[in-house]
Formats: sequence, C-alpha cells, structure tokens
Amino acid sequence: DSGVTQTPKHLITATGQRVTLRCSPRSGDLSVYWYQQSLDQGLQFLIHYYNGEERAKGNILERFSAQQFPDLHSELNLSSLELGDSALYFCASSVGGPGVYGYTFGSGTRLTVV
Amino acid sequence: EDQVTQSPEALRLQEGESSSLNCSYTVSGLRGLFWYRQDPGKGPEFLFTLYSAGEEKEKERLKATLTKKESFLHITAPKPEDSATYLCAVLGNQGGKLIFGQGTELSVKP
Repeated sequence: DSGVTQTPKHLITATGQRVTLRCSPRSGDLSVYWYQQSLDQGLQFLIHYYNGEERAKGNILERFSAQQFPDLHSELNLSSLELGDSALYFCASSVGGPGVYGYTFGSGTRLTVV
Repeated sequence: EDQVTQSPEALRLQEGESSSLNCSYTVSGLRGLFWYRQDPGKGPEFLFTLYSAGEEKEKERLKATLTKKESFLHITAPKPEDSATYLCAVLGNQGGKLIFGQGTELSVKP
C-alpha cells in the first residue's frame, strides 16, 4: 500500500456520461498530480494541485476538470465521455514538488467507456 | 519542450542474461531523472533518482547511470520477478511535473 488511495478501482460507463474519480494523497503530502495512461500514449500529465490551488496544466481536455479540497483529497471529473477516454487514471502525491523519491502513485482507476 | 524517449519498447531476456535499458532525454534544466517500475494494472513504483552526469545508483540487480543526454538501467543476471515495465521520467525547471517516457516492457523467462 503506497498510502495514496484511489477510488473506484474500476469504472465502466457509456459514452456521453460523466464520472468522478477520487484521490486521497499520502498523509502529509500537499501536492496531487493526475496522469492518464493509455496503451498508445504512455503516462500523460493532466494537472497538478498544491494545497488547493491549481499549479500546472498538461494535456487535459476541456471536458475534464479537477479540484483539490481543503482536506487535500482531489477529484477528477470527466464529462461527455468518449470511447477514447478509456484508460488508466493515476493520482500521485508528494510533499511539495517531486522530492528525492519523486511522486508516490496510487493504484489507479481503470475507466472503460462503452 | 521536455521529452523522454525509451528504448527498446520491449525486451525479452532469459533468466541470467544481463542487458541495459536506455532513456534519452531533452530537458530545460534537469532537476532530476527518475526510474520507476510498473507491474500490470498497478501504479508506478519508485526505483531511483539521479541528479547529475556521472551519478550511479544500485539496488539489488539494478544499476542506473546518468550522462548529460541519457540514462541507462542495467539489469544484471535478471530473474523472472524482474519482469515489468520500466519507466523513465525527467523533472525540468518548468514546473513540478514529471515527464515520462513510453516505457520498456521487460520479460524475463526462466
């Protein structure tokens, strides 16, 4: 157990629907990062939050949004889902930026859009 | 733009057959190069961080090295349990995000 908790582990939904992925960072970590991993794209950075504030955006679609709450957990909202959104979504956390040990990753949420 | 390229994409070895994985990178101001191991369906697991050219880190059968343009992950006498995807990532001076390569899928047969 890495200490980063992601729920749900698996999600199957239909095209056009909206889902919310949840991440609880490791105790003491203020930064949360979201990554998308698909077979042909590898790990793609989506967004970074630090202590409730958005710090950086990567290749995140306008249909996707995220936030980090006062208790530091984060949610990634995916709407108007398309077949191509099927992927593994990982959350990672660190104290501030990536330290000596980089990030600590959760076990991911596998999203399947049918 | 920071970029990481890993080769080969896949590597099949016999148990005990040593080899190396390559990670080539371009980054504006390297603040760290990271190696991770990822098992199927699981999150990446940290292995090493390297900061400057000439640095080396070792852990069991793995040794990571760094030059100004690339990093190598050397695997000595691998065992089947070393089978996994190995990911390389860089941290540049443009924000706190890690940029990952596509990974090398290693398979070690007994």
